[in-house]
Amino acid sequence: DADVTQTPRNRITKTGKRIMLECSQTKGHDRMYWYRQDPGLGLRLIYYSFDVKDINKGEISDGYSVSRQAQAKFSLSLESAIPNQTALYFCATSGQGASGELFFGEGSRLTVL
Amino acid sequence: GENVEQHPSTLSVQEGDSAVIKCTYSDSASNYFPWYKQELGKGPQLIIDIRSNVGEKKDQRIAVTLNKTAKHFSLHITETQPEDSAVYFCAADSWGKLQFGAGTQVVVTP
Repeated sequence: DADVTQTPRNRITKTGKRIMLECSQTKGHDRMYWYRQDPGLGLRLIYYSFDVKDINKGEISDGYSVSRQAQAKFSLSLESAIPNQTALYFCATSGQGASGELFFGEGSRLTVL
Repeated sequence: GENVEQHPSTLSVQEGDSAVIKCTYSDSASNYFPWYKQELGKGPQLIIDIRSNVGEKKDQRIAVTLNKTAKHFSLHITETQPEDSAVYFCAADSWGKLQFGAGTQVVVTP
C-alpha cells in the first residue's frame, strides 16, 4: 500500500459544485501539504499543516479550504469549483524539522467544466 | 518570498550523453535545495538534495552543484538512460516550505 493515498484519483465536476479531495498517510508524519500542478508553473503550495492544530495558507489559497481531521488525514475542499481550478493536485507529507524530504501521493486530477 | 527559476523547460538528449538542468533562487536565506523526479502518472520523488554548507554532492550518475554567491544550483545526469526520461523539479527551502521551479521535461532518445 502507498504511504500517501489520495482519493479520488480522477474527478470531473461542474462549475459551482463543492468538491473534496482526501489524503491519508501511514508515515506517521506531522507535516502535511496540498500542492497544485499546472503545466509550465511547477508545484504551487495551496495549504500546509505542521500539526493537527496548525493550518496555514500557501501562495494560492484563494478558493480553497482544508481540514486536518487527524495526524494522518488532510482534506482539501473547493467550495464552489471554477474551470481555472482544473489541475493536478498533490498531497505530501514530511517529518518534523526544517528541510525534510517530501513524500507525495500519486495525485488527484480534477476537471471543472 | 522565495522565487525559483528553472531552465530549460524541455531537454532532449541522446542516450549516453549528459543532461544539465539549472536553477536560480532569490532568497539568500535559503539553505536547502532538493531535486525531485516525476515519472508519468506518479507523484514527484526526491532524487538528491544539497545543503548550503556543501558545494557539490554526487550519487552514482547524478550530481548537484551549488553556488551560494551567485544563487544558482544545477543538476547533472551523466550517461543518460531511457529510464531518466521524466519531469525534474528543483526547489529551495523558504522558511520551512519548499518553493519549486517550473520543471524540466527530459526526454532520452535511444
